[in-house]
Amino acid sequence: GESVGLHLPTLSVQEGDNSIINCAYSNSASDYFIWYKQESGKGPQFIIDIRSNMDKRQGQRVTVLLNKTVKHLSLQIAATQPGDSAVYFCAEVDSGGGADGLTFGKGTHLIIQP
Amino acid sequence: EAGVAQSPRYKIIEKRQSVAFWCNPISGHATLYWYQQILGQGPKLLIQFQNNGVVDDSQLPKDRFSAERLKGVDSTLKIQPAKLEDSAVYLCASSPSGANYGYTFGSGTRLTVV
Repeated sequence: GESVGLHLPTLSVQEGDNSIINCAYSNSASDYFIWYKQESGKGPQFIIDIRSNMDKRQGQRVTVLLNKTVKHLSLQIAATQPGDSAVYFCAEVDSGGGADGLTFGKGTHLIIQP
Repeated sequence: EAGVAQSPRYKIIEKRQSVAFWCNPISGHATLYWYQQILGQGPKLLIQFQNNGVVDDSQLPKDRFSAERLKGVDSTLKIQPAKLEDSAVYLCASSPSGANYGYTFGSGTRLTVV
């Protein structure tokens, strides 16, 4: 079946630098994408989402970019802080039908170096 | 607003035993999901409920897993008999009514089968 994959299992960045986490998806019918942050022992926490009729969306210190042509999603975190250390997942869903459970990728572990 | 509540937080059982997990979604949320998250992977959808009806259980191993949401509120997920490969975190999520309204995850139940 379709799945969402991530390119890097681990990303190490210096505190204060910008982070970019990438994701490739395979289901062309997916029309809604979400980035989640997961800290140890906790459930996934919503960061930002984007619908397929957009190519960019900004939040507080985070930006999501969507390239439907190559089925690519990225999360940019500005001025990375120690509290940003976590595993980040992208997830996709085809929201058109009743079955709208999320399909997740494997995750990228973001490590912040002091 | 109270979050999604799950119990127990941890469970250790021997293979071939049975186990049950409980989820109390956010009040008023019609849609409830159970996910399985194996260590190092993204969550995988097991089953989706809309009120007390099953919307999608295509990825639920029905020979050993069962789930119910009898009154359209709380839900239980059961495994009988458990296998070693069932060791994972079982996450519950809820939504007011599917993808268009967002998802909130609980902290999960960590199951270890020995």
